[in-house]
Amino acid sequence: AQSVTQLGSHVSVSEGALVLLRCNYSSSVPPYLFWYVQYPNQGLQLLLKYTSAATLVKGINGFEAEFKKSETSFHLTKPSAHMSDAAEYFCAVTDQAGTALIFGKGTTLSVSS
Amino acid sequence: GAGVSQSPSNKVTEKGKDVELRCDPISGHTALYWYRQSLGQGLEFLIYFQGNSAPDKSGLPSDRFSAERTGGSVSTLTIQRTQQEDSAVYLCASSLSANTNYGYTFGSGTRLTVV
Repeated sequence: AQSVTQLGSHVSVSEGALVLLRCNYSSSVPPYLFWYVQYPNQGLQLLLKYTSAATLVKGINGFEAEFKKSETSFHLTKPSAHMSDAAEYFCAVTDQAGTALIFGKGTTLSVSS
Repeated sequence: GAGVSQSPSNKVTEKGKDVELRCDPISGHTALYWYRQSLGQGLEFLIYFQGNSAPDKSGLPSDRFSAERTGGSVSTLTIQRTQQEDSAVYLCASSLSANTNYGYTFGSGTRLTVV
């Protein structure tokens, strides 16, 4: 069965520091993987997606993620955090039928000055 | 429209009442999804519509929940005899097709509070 595990429900970094949000997946078929961001009182916005092309995927706002099949991971990184990055981040994998997304429980990113 | 529109944005209802939540997807998007977001629980898949096909209702938590999509566009999620555990943010998303390669566009959600 498809599933996603996000390690760490809350991550805190200082402004300018590296952001690393962890996501591990389980999939019985080649996965499509996604990262979404949710700002307070808003819907989810697509950050980036992996759909079996390049394993290093670049997204919006300077974020990127690397698909590592051997580690079943799709961690999200950003070299230098900005205050505006404070939000909740969700990793998702396609279900077995390829028609719906299964989301992790989310990681809240806090950025301090 | 330009984005996915959900209404109302907030709804407070008394336990036992029925509620209807509306989603207006992006024009031309054939796939429509409903998710429930509860505190600390992430997003829980509820139901999915693709064109005129029968919906995938596998995520609906009980028979008090139902949804329809009229004319392949607007969708309504109905919760009958609401319970306090139904309190959550209900998110709607649409996609160009059922192929998740396209990703979803989400609405801002309806925050439901059952008192």
